[in-house]
Amino acid sequence: QSALTQPASVSGSPGQSITISCTGTSSDVGGYNYVSWYQQHPGKAPKLMIFDVSNRPSGVSDRFSGSKSGNTASLTISGLQAEDEADYYCSSYTSSSTHVLFGGGTKLAVL
Amino acid sequence: EVQLVESGGGLVKPGGSLRLSCAASGFTFSSYSMNWARQAPGKGLEWVSSISSDSNYIYYTDSVRGRFTTARDNAKNSLYLQMSSLRPDDTAVYYCSRVPPEQRAPVAPTTDSWGQGTLVTVSS
Repeated sequence: QSALTQPASVSGSPGQSITISCTGTSSDVGGYNYVSWYQQHPGKAPKLMIFDVSNRPSGVSDRFSGSKSGNTASLTISGLQAEDEADYYCSSYTSSSTHVLFGGGTKLAVL
Repeated sequence: EVQLVESGGGLVKPGGSLRLSCAASGFTFSSYSMNWARQAPGKGLEWVSSISSDSNYIYYTDSVRGRFTTARDNAKNSLYLQMSSLRPDDTAVYYCSRVPPEQRAPVAPTTDSWGQGTLVTVSS
């Protein structure tokens, strides 16, 4: 099964808001509320930012929020900061034999 | 502090085998399901396998099923990934990660702590 679809890159200026989309199918994103988002800085391990579509782990800034509509999940980052520049990946449970899918990743540039 | 430390990576020839280990500390390892994921150089993340806390449930992604085996030793706070029939496209950094106990998905895409990874290179 193919990976979830994310834009390759997005950009924004400090203080602005951006949204990253993650499109799947009714067998994954659309069918279950098991979507997570990860942030990864170069050379570092991924960090969990959002789980179960819209929940933030403790310690994650409330500038990060998640939502879902149909087969597309979204990660919104408000009040962009330089430290937000990183790669972002969505992930979802899937009813297929693959079990868990990741998106291809989105590179966020803070200009 | 939760710590996950992977080891065992290295250079292996196509068709060869390798065993990765993940040493866990700072939490009650036996209470958590664990995942393996990988990331090819310059590429995105790929989920590889999950194992339940009691080893009763083990899942694999399609591309490694039948070649990789995930196991754990709760007495040693350790997770393992035995890889065989390795192919060049298995070349990646392999991460172990912890699944929060409140996760309800049959196979959870949510992991709240990750190791730093170990690099596996499959090349002749």
